Amino acid sequence: NAGVTQTPKFQVLKTGQSMTLQCAQDMNHNSMYWYRQDPGMGLRLIYYSASEGTTDKGEVPNGYNVSRLNKREFSLRLESAAPSQTSVYFCASSRTHEGSYEQYFGPGTRLTVT
Amino acid sequence: AQSVAQPEDQVNVAEGNPLTVKCTYSVSGNPYLFWYVQYPNRGLQFLLKYITGDNLVKGSYGFEAEFNKSQTSFHLKKPSALVSDSALYFCAVRVFASSSASKIIFGSGTRLSIRP
Repeated sequence: NAGVTQTPKFQVLKTGQSMTLQCAQDMNHNSMYWYRQDPGMGLRLIYYSASEGTTDKGEVPNGYNVSRLNKREFSLRLESAAPSQTSVYFCASSRTHEGSYEQYFGPGTRLTVT
Repeated sequence: AQSVAQPEDQVNVAEGNPLTVKCTYSVSGNPYLFWYVQYPNRGLQFLLKYITGDNLVKGSYGFEAEFNKSQTSFHLKKPSALVSDSALYFCAVRVFASSSASKIIFGSGTRLSIRP
């Protein structure tokens, strides 16, 4: 039981390049999330998927797209990376989105955009 | 506006002493409250939550938190700190984005440092 896994662990991009961050969970959770973590700002929600087949914008969605590929997998795509997207990205999952269940987090992807 | 606040960026405690990490919130409706811990270069780990019931909630690693409705607080506590408790701690709360949609928002984090 691996929990939430993310790939890659580290990535360096040049401005304008694109990439996809992968996330998978094996806990049969319905809801999945993408956050970014920046110093002094806590975690900010980028996008979430309350259930398979649905995605919704979070607090900071601009510059990102997501795909809920199936119940297990939720990917985050940067179409044209910008230095402002330098951050640590975390994927998380929870049983449901209604708020009473805790979230389980992956180990993170550290992204640098030069 | 609905929010969660951690008023201290850093808390320093000597090993063996009690510790408190503060969290206050402002939400509409009944609050669902969570504490998470983040060790260096790791994702967040769930510690405990308050949904309903007893105001004193017990969680992992000997931590507990007290829900205080009148003070809108949910402070994290531990009777005797360990050096291994040194980490970044996040309070989180469920807020309502609309009448039917909710989301979790996180505080900015408090760095807990336990000195030997």
